[in-house]
Amino acid sequence: EDQVTQSPEALRLQEGESSSLNCSYTVSGLRGLFWYRQDPGKGPEFLFTLYSAGEEKEKERLKATLTKKESFLHITAPKPEDSATYLCAVRGGGSQGNLIFGKGTKLSVKP
Amino acid sequence: DTGVSQDPRHKITKRGQNVTFRCDPISEHNRLYWYRQTLGQGPEFLTYFQNEAQLEKSRLLSDRFSAERPKGSFSTLEIQRTEQGDSAMYLCASSPRGAANTGELFFGEGSRLTVL
Repeated sequence: EDQVTQSPEALRLQEGESSSLNCSYTVSGLRGLFWYRQDPGKGPEFLFTLYSAGEEKEKERLKATLTKKESFLHITAPKPEDSATYLCAVRGGGSQGNLIFGKGTKLSVKP
Repeated sequence: DTGVSQDPRHKITKRGQNVTFRCDPISEHNRLYWYRQTLGQGPEFLTYFQNEAQLEKSRLLSDRFSAERPKGSFSTLEIQRTEQGDSAMYLCASSPRGAANTGELFFGEGSRLTVL
């Protein structure tokens, strides 16, 4: 069964303190790994798509990387506005519409 | 604003009542998705439309749930005989033609259902 596990569940950082979030996955025929950001009371907002091991994507202070079994979301010198829940999702070979999401990592960045 | 619009944003109902949610996707997006999210969990897939055709349904979508997308525009999600376990945020998302494999879904702000 396709599965996504994210760690840690929650992460508290001081402003400027860099760290990484982990997403490990098991899926048959990976057709993409996706990162989303979700603010309280809002729908998820798309950040990145990664397709193959070794691929990297960057956006401002965020950098996503992918291996054959996991993905990392690196946050460099975070700011309080980076506080949100970060969701990882995968799409397997058997689906066009179904993204399988992890439970997310709730990030808090204190000034 | 041309984002995904959902209505109502909040719905409180008594167990056994029927509820209906509406989703207006971004215009010209041909794909529309429904997800359900409970507190502390990630979104769970319910169903997916390409234009007016319902192409996938999750096992979570019991026979009390029905979704439609007449004319390939807005969509409705109806829950009949609601149960307390149906309490959740119901999220709608859309994506344009060609974005099927990028995973870039545009989510609305959701409709929160509370079943008493």
